Amino acid sequence: ETGVTQSPTHLIKTRGQQVTLRCSSQSGHNTVSWYQQALGQGPQFIFQYYREEENGRGNFPPRFSGLQFPNYSSELNVNALELDDSALYLCASSLAGTSGRPGETQYFGPGTRLLVL
Amino acid sequence: AQKITQTQPGMFVQEKEAVTLDCTYDTSDPSYGLFWYKQPSSGEMIFLIYQGSYDQQNATEGRYSLNFQKARKSANLVISASQLGDSAMYFCAMREGVLGVQTGANNLFFGTGTRLTVIP
Repeated sequence: ETGVTQSPTHLIKTRGQQVTLRCSSQSGHNTVSWYQQALGQGPQFIFQYYREEENGRGNFPPRFSGLQFPNYSSELNVNALELDDSALYLCASSLAGTSGRPGETQYFGPGTRLLVL
Repeated sequence: AQKITQTQPGMFVQEKEAVTLDCTYDTSDPSYGLFWYKQPSSGEMIFLIYQGSYDQQNATEGRYSLNFQKARKSANLVISASQLGDSAMYFCAMREGVLGVQTGANNLFFGTGTRLTVIP
């Protein structure tokens, strides 16, 4: 069973640039969620993709956008980078809809550390 | 109001001793799930244990157990027989709502975490 993978591991960008982060979900999972974790904080939900459509969004501006592909992998795109976008970006995959009970566990990847200068 | 509150920024425990990490939650949804994750310095969030709001018994996974007190809205993590490798950040998280075949977002709300240090 292959776990969640993310690329790149580290990234340095300058303010105003655009960035794309990538995530491959765990084998058999159909849902991908993205989280932003600023230094010293808990992760904050950005959005979730299920069946290639955005399935919920946290309190993030539209310059944060995403995609999910037929193989359930996903991209997070951030336009017009700001200094406050510097954070660890975590991708999590899960299998939705199988049991009907709450709490399908999300399994996280190792994250991408983004530094905006 | 914060959905997840972790009031212990840091905790120390002697190797081989047990430690309890506190977590309280706030929700009006009768159906929810509670999770604990471990985050080593490498950054990856490692799933430890899950408790559903309708589960009658406290969850256990090896050395991890969850002390679920529904009326108090608390979900404390107990780590028994601490090991040096347990030193990490620990996050409590909650997901609200019941999942069906076509689910709404099952996003997690995280607390601010507790840094656990195991002393040899």
